[in-house]
Amino acid sequence: DTGVSQNPRHKITKRGQNVTFRCDPISEHNRLYWYRQTLGQGPEFLTYFQNEAQLEKSRLLSDRFSAERPKGSFSTLEIQRTEQGDSAMYLCASQTGGPMGEQYFGPGTRLTVT
Amino acid sequence: GQNIDQPTEMTATEGAIVQINCTYQTSGFNGLFWYQQHAGEAPTFLSYNVLDGLEEKGRFSSFLSRSKGYSYLLLKELQMKDSASYLCAVREEGSYIPTFGRGTSLIVHP
Repeated sequence: DTGVSQNPRHKITKRGQNVTFRCDPISEHNRLYWYRQTLGQGPEFLTYFQNEAQLEKSRLLSDRFSAERPKGSFSTLEIQRTEQGDSAMYLCASQTGGPMGEQYFGPGTRLTVT
Repeated sequence: GQNIDQPTEMTATEGAIVQINCTYQTSGFNGLFWYQQHAGEAPTFLSYNVLDGLEEKGRFSSFLSRSKGYSYLLLKELQMKDSASYLCAVREEGSYIPTFGRGTSLIVHP
């Protein structure tokens, strides 16, 4: 399978704990995005990488959130001191380098903070 | 910033045609996307418009009018499996990052 993969698919954690999610993009895609989606809403942009460089971060991304893409391949998103409001689906997408630039989404990681 | 508006929910009958509208306001325009998202799954790419007019792809077509800040997704010969959320996303000039609307939940009934 050459699509975008994300792990874990589901994560239940207690408030105050740290969690880390992983995204493996399509291998030839150099752009990688993280989004958060809650029920009844569209995906909200969190951050964007081109190769290993983090080029943009949303103001939604508090200092408890950090993302890395150390070798320009897979990426991790860490949430420290989780809060109940962090409960959401976290989506990763990779993008072709062409002018159209359609995004290919992974299956997402559903986070539940209790 | 951008303001993207689409209806929250629509219903239609199997075999019929449905049009899902999307209006947007943006300071500069660099493309509009439609994605389909089934419940509990990731969005999948349907169409892309950057110039005015109609793009047809099988049962799905997408239309864009940049001067009106308006797009629609047309679904023909509806099937039960078309029940899903349809997301309109707009990309601003100079940006690779699309901003998504809330999505339109389409319910297809027999």
